[in-house]
Amino acid sequence: DGGITQSPKYLFRKEGQNVTLSCEQNLNHDAMYWYRQDPGQGLRLIYYSQIVNDFQKGDIAEGYSVSREKKESFPLTVTSAQKNPTAFYLCASSRLDGYNEQFFGPGTRLTVL
Amino acid sequence: DAKTTQPPSMDCAEGRAANLPCNHSTISGNEYVYWYRQIHSQGPQYIIHGLKNNETNEMASLIITEDRKSSTLILPHATLRDTAVYYCIVRDPDYKLSFGAGTTVTVRA
Repeated sequence: DGGITQSPKYLFRKEGQNVTLSCEQNLNHDAMYWYRQDPGQGLRLIYYSQIVNDFQKGDIAEGYSVSREKKESFPLTVTSAQKNPTAFYLCASSRLDGYNEQFFGPGTRLTVL
Repeated sequence: DAKTTQPPSMDCAEGRAANLPCNHSTISGNEYVYWYRQIHSQGPQYIIHGLKNNETNEMASLIITEDRKSSTLILPHATLRDTAVYYCIVRDPDYKLSFGAGTTVTVRA
């Protein structure tokens, strides 16, 4: 099956710890994205990447870091510098043409205690 | 970036058509209108997109006004499984999507 996988579905961490969220896609999409969603809110873009070894900041990149060493993978690290890390994190991927609807993973719910 | 305005919520009777409005008065000529929906605690699901012409697929129809300042998503026969938050988005030239708060659609039996 083609799709996007995110793991784990639920993640708990202590305050002050860095944590890395996994995102893998086998759709052969060039672009990948990370979003954050807080309760009752829409999605906000954290980082995106359109090509391997390159990525761009989104609207709320502070306190986050990413890497894109492989086309299939786009891990997100939530650092201790992120003031309010507890949120629902969504990864997506897309082609880069006129039919570039984004396909989303199931999300990771991060809770920092 | 072009912004969109949607009503915060709407109800619909099961089996009836649901018409979801969206205003995007600052849209540029080459910007597409996308619609997604998000069922609680899941990732958003793509529904449909369009540029100028009306579009239809197995999920919905998209009607875009001639001046492109507004659009309507039509779910022809709403079911209880269509209860979700629906997002109208104008895609920017860099392929990024900006999600607003969307419209919470509740389909009632």
